Amino acid sequence: DIQMTQSPSSLSASVGDRVTITCRASQSISSYLNWYQQKPGKAPNVLIYAASSLQTGVPSRFSGSGSGTDFTLTISSLQPEDFATYYCQQSYSTPPTFGQGTKVEIK
Amino acid sequence: QVQLVESGGGVVQPGRSLRLSCAASGFTFSSSGMHWVRQAPGKGLEWVALIKYDGSNKYYADSVKGRFTISRDNSKNTLYLQMNSLRAADTAVYYCARDQGTRITGTIHNYMDVWGKGTTVTVSS
Repeated sequence: DIQMTQSPSSLSASVGDRVTITCRASQSISSYLNWYQQKPGKAPNVLIYAASSLQTGVPSRFSGSGSGTDFTLTISSLQPEDFATYYCQQSYSTPPTFGQGTKVEIK
Repeated sequence: QVQLVESGGGVVQPGRSLRLSCAASGFTFSSSGMHWVRQAPGKGLEWVALIKYDGSNKYYADSVKGRFTISRDNSKNTLYLQMNSLRAADTAVYYCARDQGTRITGTIHNYMDVWGKGTTVTVSS
């Protein structure tokens, strides 16, 4: 199975900050990488698919980049509603696997 | 609107069985692959199982293989997860999710684009 490792596991940031979350795959997955946001008590919600494609309805302050083994989710200007946990997930092979999550907290 | 609604969760003793259901509406269920994903209390997301749109292929996480069975009834727009020989480690919120495939530069990229609210399974004596 492909292992996905996110860093950091948590971070504290202020409204308006630029935030970057990194995801690394244990082998090359080309651009088969998705990002999800999950708020407490809620189901996950897809933000980015295929490494850099923005899901319909997701604000443009979210962006994704990377290919191969190293990927990044960037929030250009953190908003109050963005405080949540973020997960990467590879869709290169079955089983699909998730990173352990990155919790973004208010500073 | 596009919606998935899980049901069937509850408290069950170790070794017993439970069947989860996921009712789909607002889209052509019979054209979509479907996943079950779970989340143990305070933990991250764990993929459980996938079934192709027509039920022809099924895939399982090693942690549930041989104990869980994913199935679907396209005439009822419903996805199922039969869970047998339940263990304490199976305690989690179980989500169903739609598999979306999008073609980008000649290749299909899959992601989970619609999720239910989840149903809670607690395995405890």
